[in-house]
Amino acid sequence: DSGVTQTPKHLITATGQRVTLRCSPRSGDLSVYWYQQSLDQGLQFLIQYYNGEERAKGNILERFSAQQFPDLHSELNLSSLELGDSALYFCASSATEAGVWKSRGANVLTFGAGSRLTVL
Amino acid sequence: DAKTTQPPSMDCAEGRAANLPCNHSTISGNEYVYWYRQIHSQGPQYIIHGLKNNETNEMASLIITEDRKSSTLILPHATLRDTAVYYCIVPHNTDKLIFGTGTRLQVFP
Repeated sequence: DSGVTQTPKHLITATGQRVTLRCSPRSGDLSVYWYQQSLDQGLQFLIQYYNGEERAKGNILERFSAQQFPDLHSELNLSSLELGDSALYFCASSATEAGVWKSRGANVLTFGAGSRLTVL
Repeated sequence: DAKTTQPPSMDCAEGRAANLPCNHSTISGNEYVYWYRQIHSQGPQYIIHGLKNNETNEMASLIITEDRKSSTLILPHATLRDTAVYYCIVPHNTDKLIFGTGTRLQVFP
């Protein structure tokens, strides 16, 4: 158990629907990261939040959105689902402040077990 | 991110040392080298990171060349459970990790 909790573990839904994936970071971690892993595309960075604020954006579609709440848990909302959205979605958290690279420090991410989304 | 180059696949006999190379010739400043691995469909797992000096922890050793342009991850006594994809990552001016294609390590009996 990494300490990062993701729910649900598995989710099956239909095209056009909307789902919400939830992530609880490790205790004390302020940063949350979301990644998508499709069968043929490897791990793709989607978005990062730090203490409730968006800090970095990657290849996140406009149909997707995320937020981090005051209790630091995060949700990834996927809407107007398409077959190609079927993937593993991973959440990661880190203890360091956002922008730690500016201080040339190290930033270690801890990943959750993932949520497997199947769109039929 | 600073570009890293890893062999796509490697084999290793169980009980032997697995040496996974990574080239990061464009590394600059005080950028860290991170190693993660992903066992089939599980979440990526942090292994080790280093800056200039060689590092060792309970999982592995990391050897970084003096010019920092390459590194080697060493699993001293590989087991079947070490079969995974290993990622070498050098974040450049960012906190986020960008995963490449990594090295698929197959440990065989």
